[in-house]
Amino acid sequence: DIQMTQSPSSLSASVGDRVTITCRASQGISNYLAWYQQKPGKVPKLLIYAASTLQSGVPSRFSGSGSGTDFTLTISSLQPEDVANYYCQNCNSAPYTFGQGTKLEIK
Amino acid sequence: QVTLRESGPALVKPTQTLTLTCTFSGFSLSSSGMCVSWIRQPPGKALEWLARIDWDDDKYYSTSLKTRLTISKDTSKNQVVLTMTNMDPVDTATYYCARILLVGAHLGAFDYWGQGSLVTVSS
Repeated sequence: DIQMTQSPSSLSASVGDRVTITCRASQGISNYLAWYQQKPGKVPKLLIYAASTLQSGVPSRFSGSGSGTDFTLTISSLQPEDVANYYCQNCNSAPYTFGQGTKLEIK
Repeated sequence: QVTLRESGPALVKPTQTLTLTCTFSGFSLSSSGMCVSWIRQPPGKALEWLARIDWDDDKYYSTSLKTRLTISKDTSKNQVVLTMTNMDPVDTATYYCARILLVGAHLGAFDYWGQGSLVTVSS
């Protein structure tokens, strides 16, 4: 199985900061990677697929990049409503493993 | 408008079999390219992918759970069913079904999710 490792596990940043979360796959997955946001007590929401394609309706401050084994999710200007857990997911082949999550808080 | 809704027991006893139903609308699993997955999340923990079923009845399972899982579909009812045998307290989790967005021939992501069904395993 492909292992997905996110870093950091938790992150505290100020409103307006640029925030970057990284995700590393244990083997190459081309650009078949998705990012999800899960706010406390809520259902996961798709942010980005195919590593860099923004899902419809997602604010443009979110962006994704990477290919192969290393990927990043960037929030260009952190907003209070971005407090959430963020997960990456291997979409290259089954089993479609998720990362362990990154908890993002406001400082 | 795409919607999905999970249903099933809130409480199961250890060793019992869990049966969850995902009822969806806004798409058809008989249409080429349509797929549905199950994902679970133990309280306070990360998401875990469980199974996938495609419009052509192809099926995929979690490596660690494949001996306990069965996924099936009833296209006439717009339903996908997941069964998990030999339930254990560590299987306590919120179980989600989600529609799959395909990118070419690959899984792109899960673009629509149900609200989730909390299943507690306890005697």
